[in-house]
Amino acid sequence: NAGVTQTPKFQVLKTGQSMTLQCAQDMNHNSMYWYRQDPGMGLRLIYYSASEGTTDKGEVPNGYNVSRLNKREFSLRLESAAPSQTSVYFCASSEAVAEIYEQYFGPGTRLTVT
Amino acid sequence: AQSVAQPEDQVNVAEGNPLTVKCTYSVSGNPYLFWYVQYPNRGLQFLLKYITGDNLVKGSYGFEAEFNKSQTSFHLKKPSALVSDSALYFCAVRARGFKTIFGAGTRLFVKA
Repeated sequence: NAGVTQTPKFQVLKTGQSMTLQCAQDMNHNSMYWYRQDPGMGLRLIYYSASEGTTDKGEVPNGYNVSRLNKREFSLRLESAAPSQTSVYFCASSEAVAEIYEQYFGPGTRLTVT
Repeated sequence: AQSVAQPEDQVNVAEGNPLTVKCTYSVSGNPYLFWYVQYPNRGLQFLLKYITGDNLVKGSYGFEAEFNKSQTSFHLKKPSALVSDSALYFCAVRARGFKTIFGAGTRLFVKA
């Protein structure tokens, strides 16, 4: 049982390049999330998927797109990377989107945009 | 508006001493409160949560937290700190219809 896995672990992009961050969970969870973590700011929600086939914007969606490929997988795409997107990105999942459920996090992707 | 505050950037404690990591919150309606821990180069791990019921919640690794509605606080505690408890701790809050809001984090340093 691997929990939540993310690829890649590290990535360096030049401004304007695109990339997709992959996330998969094996806990049969319905809801999945993408966060970014910046020093002193905690975690900020980029997008979430309450269930397979649905996605919604979080606090900071600009410059990102997501795809809920199936129940297990939820990808995050940067179409044209900017230095402001330098951050650590975490994928998470929970049994459902309801408030009572805790989230399980992947190990993160450290992205640098030059 | 929904918010959570962790007033201390860092907490230092000697091994064997009790530790407290503070968290206060602001929500409309009943709060759902969580503590997570992050070790270096790892994702966040769930420690404990308060949903309803007993104000003292027990969680993983000997941690507990006390929900205080009148002071809108949810402080994380442990009776005897270990060096291995050194990590970054996040408090998080949810209220009905809102997404999870995370605090900025408190770094706990336990000295041997």
